[in-house]
Formats: sequence, structure tokens, C-alpha cells
Amino acid sequence: AQTVTQSQPEMSVQEAETVTLSCTYDTSENNYYLFWYKQPPSRQMILVIRQEAYKQQNATENRFSVNFQKAAKSFSLKISDSQLGDTAMYFCAFGSIQGAQKLVFGQGTRLTINP
Amino acid sequence: DAGVIQSPRHEVTEMGQEVTLRCKPISGHDYLFWYRQTMMRGLELLIYFNNNVPIDDSGMPEDRFSAKMPNASFSTLKIQPSEPRDSAVYFCASSQSYQPQHFGDGTRLSIL
Repeated sequence: AQTVTQSQPEMSVQEAETVTLSCTYDTSENNYYLFWYKQPPSRQMILVIRQEAYKQQNATENRFSVNFQKAAKSFSLKISDSQLGDTAMYFCAFGSIQGAQKLVFGQGTRLTINP
Repeated sequence: DAGVIQSPRHEVTEMGQEVTLRCKPISGHDYLFWYRQTMMRGLELLIYFNNNVPIDDSGMPEDRFSAKMPNASFSTLKIQPSEPRDSAVYFCASSQSYQPQHFGDGTRLSIL
């Protein structure tokens, strides 16, 4: 079974700073997807970024980028020029390569951006 | 485009009562998922459907929980009888094959 571990329960940075959230996972599969989801206080689950394991190039979405280290089973999220609206819980998730992409989530990191 | 729609947004009921949570997936999506979120256990997959057929219900905690998808635009998650430990936020999500899941806003369930 797959497991996902987020070792930072909480983080806090100043607005405009860069912050990196850590995630490690365990799997015996060679091909899979990795995700970061954001959950603001409104409770929505919002997809931030997706990485396909067979792609060596790290995914980026505007201010959000990942550092994917397949051998180390590490998948960190970097938020550049952080904004107050980035304040949220961030969940790392593992998804199977099958059509359903069943998700296994980490416990989450609560990120606070201070003005 | 309308996203995944869940109802109700909040539900408060007494122990022993039947609870029904509802979900309307995004049109054209062939997968539907039910998740539960609690402080202790985080986000857990309960069950998922493909083309209205239940594929994996190994996450359903007990026989008190049941889920149905009578058609492509509607699914229910039912708890009968409900217990205080069922209190959680329940999310529905839908997706197309090989595409990321889109989540609804969740139902916050409180069992007194």
C-alpha cells in the first residue's frame, strides 16, 4: 500500500517570501502521479499542481513549482512570492496510474502567510 | 461550467438517525469518489464508481455506510444508523479517466 508523509504540520512565512513544503511517499509502483491540493478555510479542495512520475521535468504552475526526486521518493512544493491568499492547508497526494487515479493523501501542512 | 455539487452543506442530526448525502458530478466525468475528512484520520477514500458501477468500496468503514449511483449525474452516501464518530466532512469528487479529480465543497456532518 502507498503511504504519503508530510513532516511539517505547520509553517508560517511573511508575504512575498518563498516557502517550500515537504512530502515523501512510499510505493512499489514505477509509474504514478503526485499532486498538491490546497484547502483554504472555505473548505474547498483545489488542485495546485500535478506531476507525472515518468516525466523528469518538474511541473510548474505560475508561482508554484515542485522538486520531484523519484529515487528519493520526495515531492516538495515551492511557492514563490507568497501571497495572503496562499494561506491554507496543503495536502500532498499519491495517485495510481490507472484511469481512476485513486488518491492517498498526506496529513497536510497548515501554511500561514503573514502580512 | 458547474463544478461538483454536494448537498447539504451542513447537516446536524441525532445519533441513530439516517443521514443521506448527495452529489452531482461534473457532466461527462466517468469516475466518482466519496472521501471522508477527520482530524484524526485525515482524508480517506471511502468508495469510488466508474460509469455508475462501484469499483472499490474497501474504504467504507462499516455496514452502516452505503453508497449508490443510480445514474451518471447523481450519487448518494447513506449512513444508517448514524453515530457520533461519523461526524466529519464528506467530500465527493469526480474525474475523467487519467485526469485530476475535481472536488465538491463538502458536507460537514455533525452527529449529536
